Amino acid sequence: DAGITQSPRHKVTETGTPVTLRCHQTENHRYMYWYRQDPGHGLRLIHYSYGVKDTDKGEVSDGYSVSRSKTEDFLLTLESATSSQTSVYFCAISVRPGGEETQYFGPGTRLLVL
Amino acid sequence: AQSVTQLGSHVSVSEGALVLLRCNYSSSVPPYLFWYVQYPNQGLQLLLKYTSAATLVKGINGFEAEFKKSETSFHLTKPSAHMSDAAEYFCAVSRSSGSARQLTFGSGTQLTVLP
Repeated sequence: DAGITQSPRHKVTETGTPVTLRCHQTENHRYMYWYRQDPGHGLRLIHYSYGVKDTDKGEVSDGYSVSRSKTEDFLLTLESATSSQTSVYFCAISVRPGGEETQYFGPGTRLLVL
Repeated sequence: AQSVTQLGSHVSVSEGALVLLRCNYSSSVPPYLFWYVQYPNQGLQLLLKYTSAATLVKGINGFEAEFKKSETSFHLTKPSAHMSDAAEYFCAVSRSSGSARQLTFGSGTQLTVLP
């Protein structure tokens, strides 16, 4: 257990509304990531953070923004949700036992955009 | 660019039979490779990882994987399948991006274990 929680776990929203998903970690890890999971695509990186206020884009960042004002929280925002953003969203943290980086994942948030 | 190909989106085996899930990767540098397992409605759990030490890597739940550079493969095996192994399995390759490392995932293999 990497001490990662995600909220909400399930959300239904309507097209055009803003949505914010929260990832919380309890162990002060520097690196945090947001992925989306869709059938046939595995997981794809949306954004990641390498410290407070330090973020960068991933493979599928269009339509998403992130913020990290505290080490423990990494927020993912859909400014105006679209049906194509219906997905399962996973947060991950990175740890480096012995210098070998490994990512551990939260339980996921299932988002349905109607 | 790095990529991962998992051959076979669905694999079925009988309980007690050998499990073989295939993963091939492309990477311009020596890779870090991972296998994750996902049970229904859960997050991903790390099974094992290769980080340039031993080429045969042992993981949890009796799984192991062998890194073969000449074949650019990292196939996952288990000698005897158990009903509890039914899940989706993802292979991933890691690459550096600035100070972070990014994971590129394969599209996953759904393992069904038949009684």
